[in-house]
Amino acid sequence: DQQVKQNSPSLSVQEGRISILNCDYTNSMFDYFLWYKKYPAEGPTFLISISSIKDKNEDGRFTVFLNKSAKHLSLHIVPSQPGDSAVYFCAASDDNAGNMLTFGGGTRLMVKP
Amino acid sequence: EPEVTQTPSHQVTQMGQEVILRCVPISNHLYFYWYRQILGQKVEFLVSFYNNEISEKSEIFDDQFSVERPDGSNFTLKIRSTKLEDSAMYFCASSEGQGRMKYEQYFGPGTRLTVT
Repeated sequence: DQQVKQNSPSLSVQEGRISILNCDYTNSMFDYFLWYKKYPAEGPTFLISISSIKDKNEDGRFTVFLNKSAKHLSLHIVPSQPGDSAVYFCAASDDNAGNMLTFGGGTRLMVKP
Repeated sequence: EPEVTQTPSHQVTQMGQEVILRCVPISNHLYFYWYRQILGQKVEFLVSFYNNEISEKSEIFDDQFSVERPDGSNFTLKIRSTKLEDSAMYFCASSEGQGRMKYEQYFGPGTRLTVT
């Protein structure tokens, strides 16, 4: 089942630069998208979300962009900080499927000082 | 800040034994979930629970699994007869609401289940 895909397993960025994490989906019924950050031995931590009626949502250093026609979303982190180093998961839900989240495989972000 | 808690952090059990994983969701949340992540694989949805009933479940959530809210604070996942392939991290999550209001799900730290 590859309904949500994160094609880059890892990303390395210099501190202070922009990190761009990408996510693609195939299910056109998805109408809500979330990004989670996960450190080793911890659960996923909610970062930011976006509804399908929007194309951008911003919260501090984090911005999520949604391109519905391309079935693509991205998370921008600027400026990147070493503490941002973690695995980032995108997840999607369909209002008709009881809010169950379908996760991508994750992208490991490494921010170098 | 309110958080979801889970116990134990690590559970080792023998194949065929029953295990109960425990979670305390955030206190004003009404919807509860279990997910699991097998090592090296994606986080997978198991079940959602609202108003003392299962609202959705995945194909993984077969007759060996059950969930319960035994009191006003705990939410449990029971695996009746564990199999080797049940070894995974199990995450509990909760949210204030569901559906059109689109409430975020907050996850606990997980229980690592090892079946030997």
